[in-house]
Amino acid sequence: GAGVSQTPSNKVTEKGKYVELRCDPISGHTALYWYRQSLGQGPEFLIYFQGTGAADDSGLPNDRFFAVRPEGSVSTLKIQRTERGDSAVYLCASSSTADSPLHFGNGTRLTVT
Amino acid sequence: GENVEQHPSTLSVQEGDSAVIKCTYSDSASNYFPWYKQELGKRPQLIIDIRSNVGEKKDQRIAVTLNKTAKHFSLHITETQPEDSAVYFCAASKSQAGTALIFGKGTTLSVSS
Repeated sequence: GAGVSQTPSNKVTEKGKYVELRCDPISGHTALYWYRQSLGQGPEFLIYFQGTGAADDSGLPNDRFFAVRPEGSVSTLKIQRTERGDSAVYLCASSSTADSPLHFGNGTRLTVT
Repeated sequence: GENVEQHPSTLSVQEGDSAVIKCTYSDSASNYFPWYKQELGKRPQLIIDIRSNVGEKKDQRIAVTLNKTAKHFSLHITETQPEDSAVYFCAASKSQAGTALIFGKGTTLSVSS
């Protein structure tokens, strides 16, 4: 595709529910990143994939957060037992190699009520 | 891990003036330093980047300088225009496989005409 695509663009869920956020990277990009951005803050690193494997998941805040990229393209960020503090914009980015600039998607705005 | 500090948090200038945003980083092994511009409600977009083998890079009205000894880098915007108004983020990483881009908290630049 022309750019990084994230769906849904907005997600409202109730506290305690499970959510999945999807990222379609730029075709051919091997590196994929998930970030979380709260209002007035910089993007906070969550997890980085190189191909199918998570090269660095040190930013995941706790075990309620999990991400997969089974075929080395589309990635899904999964959040279990959502909490109000999980409300933020979740940004996905991809790059052609680990050494290349990141291209961000428009993000998914998650609101936990 | 890497920590990136960014100053100032807000910056107001008159159209035509210059704007300077400064960042410091903690990991001396970091060697890639991009700057992103984020307009309200939009995705972060790369505006310029610099690698540690150079001290300065220019692109029209935008320049970035890097001082590896002091572990700081700066964004310089000359002849500012109202459309430069946005949030600017600096970031740092060790640009080899398995390392993530760590962002500063951002600078809100307002250019008044």
